[in-house]
Amino acid sequence: EPEVTQTPSHQVTQMGQEVILRCVPISNHLYFYWYRQILGQKVEFLVSFYNNEISEKSEIFDDQFSVERPDGSNFTLKIRSTKLEDSAMYFCASARQGVTEAFFGQGTRLTVV
Amino acid sequence: SQQGEEDPQALSIQEGENATMNCSYKTSINNLQWYRQNSGRGLVHLILIRSNEREKHSGRLRVTLDTSKKSSSLLITASRAADTASYFCATAPGGTSYGKLTFGQGTILTVHP
Repeated sequence: EPEVTQTPSHQVTQMGQEVILRCVPISNHLYFYWYRQILGQKVEFLVSFYNNEISEKSEIFDDQFSVERPDGSNFTLKIRSTKLEDSAMYFCASARQGVTEAFFGQGTRLTVV
Repeated sequence: SQQGEEDPQALSIQEGENATMNCSYKTSINNLQWYRQNSGRGLVHLILIRSNEREKHSGRLRVTLDTSKKSSSLLITASRAADTASYFCATAPGGTSYGKLTFGQGTILTVHP
């Protein structure tokens, strides 16, 4: 069964460092997303990406964040200068259409120290 | 309160019993989805119900949607210990949508063998 894969599963980084979280969405999907979940809190939307551009973003997704789909398969989230409060589980998701079910990856646990 | 609020926050039942979780939301939706999350793991899509549907079944799952009350419920029948997880509702907004989901806080379900 097709699935969304994310790497790495865990990432520890020093405050101020740049991190890139990687995702391989399901191959025939057209809509891509990043969400995050701070420990013990709800899942929060960060950004959606369609037709090679950002279609929607949340207040959390400030200038420190960027997304890219560098080739036909990968979808990345970059945090330029990490802060302690960026520590969270980051989930990538993809959907065939914007109003169908979204399929989530297993997440990358980011710890900023 | 926020979009996608579940209750109860925690539910503890015995194997074989039914579990009912409720979700309320505030704005118009295109669809409402339920997800399961095992501890520290990714989100698994369970079921999607569209705004023009009132009830949907999938195996032991039954979802209802009442758009006049802006609420939904998820019923898991004949629960098993393996159903122990957190359950989240997530709403996709009405109108033009790129599929952004707004999640609730979730219900932690514990099924005792």
